[in-house]
Amino acid sequence: DGGITQSPKYLFRKEGQNVTLSCEQNLNHDAMYWYRQDPGQGLRLIYYSQIVNDFQKGDIAEGYSVSREKKESFPLTVTSAQKNPTAFYLCASSLRGDRGRGETQYFGPGTRLLVL
Amino acid sequence: DQQVKQNSPSLSVQEGRISILNCDYTNSMFDYFLWYKKYPAEGPTFLISISSIKDKNEDGRFTVFLNKSAKHLSLHIVPSQPGDSAVYFCAASAQLRGWGKLQFGAGTQVVVTP
Repeated sequence: DGGITQSPKYLFRKEGQNVTLSCEQNLNHDAMYWYRQDPGQGLRLIYYSQIVNDFQKGDIAEGYSVSREKKESFPLTVTSAQKNPTAFYLCASSLRGDRGRGETQYFGPGTRLLVL
Repeated sequence: DQQVKQNSPSLSVQEGRISILNCDYTNSMFDYFLWYKKYPAEGPTFLISISSIKDKNEDGRFTVFLNKSAKHLSLHIVPSQPGDSAVYFCAASAQLRGWGKLQFGAGTQVVVTP
């Protein structure tokens, strides 16, 4: 069954702690993305990756880091530098981030991060 | 700078009637538009998309209309069903001029009443 999985569903972070959110896809998609959703707002892009071993900052990258060592995996670390980490985090993937193609992104179920 | 705007935060519609959701954008380079549906505590689900070379795209009960001159698109759901109650996001990207990062609107909460 192809899809995108995110874990955990809920995550609690203590002050000064780094936490890592997992995102895995078995759709053979090249591009992967991380978004953050806050109440009453749309999705904002944190980081994206078009290919293994390469990633780019999105609109709100400060306080976050990512890696893309495998095509299937794109973990997001929320560092202690992120002062307002409480949000719903969504991972997405698309077939290819090529110029000129109509790209549809498909989303995972999300991880809710709460600060203790 | 909000490049994609959904000015109606909520919409209530009777079951069986038409739901019309609106979306405006400011970036004239956007050439690919999508609608997503989202239930609470779940990821968005892709509904329908439209390329800027078209002005209409239909898929079952869902139709998206694009008016490029007005920088406006709309999603029509006919007939509306109780399972359509969700938040609907409009998204846009500039595919032909660079890599297609999506810009999302703030969403419209649709409630379908019996």
